[in-house]
Amino acid sequence: EVKLVESGGGLVLPGASLKLSCIVSGFTFSDYWMRWVRQAPGKGLEFIGEIKPDGSKTNYAPSMKGRFTISRDNAKNTLYLQMSSVRSEDTATYYCARSDYGSPYWGQGVMVTVSS
Amino acid sequence: DIVMTQTPSSQAVSAGEKVTMSCKSSQSLLYSENKKNYLAWYQQKPGQSPKLLISWASTRESGVPDRFIGSGSGTDFTLTISSVQAEDLAVYYCEQYYDTPYTFGAGTKLELK
Repeated sequence: EVKLVESGGGLVLPGASLKLSCIVSGFTFSDYWMRWVRQAPGKGLEFIGEIKPDGSKTNYAPSMKGRFTISRDNAKNTLYLQMSSVRSEDTATYYCARSDYGSPYWGQGVMVTVSS
Repeated sequence: DIVMTQTPSSQAVSAGEKVTMSCKSSQSLLYSENKKNYLAWYQQKPGQSPKLLISWASTRESGVPDRFIGSGSGTDFTLTISSVQAEDLAVYYCEQYYDTPYTFGAGTKLELK
């Protein structure tokens, strides 16, 4: 059974940093591109970025580049999203997903709330 | 970035009805080398993660009922539900994976009439 489990969300102050994790099981993590997608409350889906299987290349949405960093640890089957200088607009549910042609596998999402 | 435009934004339907929704891209999603359209459709129910229904514009994922039909090519795509069931009430998103950043449409919400 494929499972993607995000963690690390919560309430964070504006300007702070936060690191989300996504632990994967059920497929060979090191064979696949992986991505992060977010969804603000009541809004649509927004691609954040993706990372190559060996971690050597990343692609980001222009609006995310510079503040968000995607990384992975293939030994731990774990995907990461480092968020810095967070703003209220970053309040959203953050999903990790396998980045095939489309995303057939998604985590349940983790909520990040940016508020003072 | 490729802009994805979905219409309508919402649609009220009755069980058993045929439903169509549109997704248009700001540039062609047809890759000439393999003649494939880099377009996916997702279904998202309240409180759930998105579920991939269709990739390559018309290829249903395993386990997806055959009442879900994807069609179209180039810049114009359609998701048809041949006979809507109560469990199909959800928001449907299209996504292009032709070029990064991948982009989603704003969604079409199916509601009960």
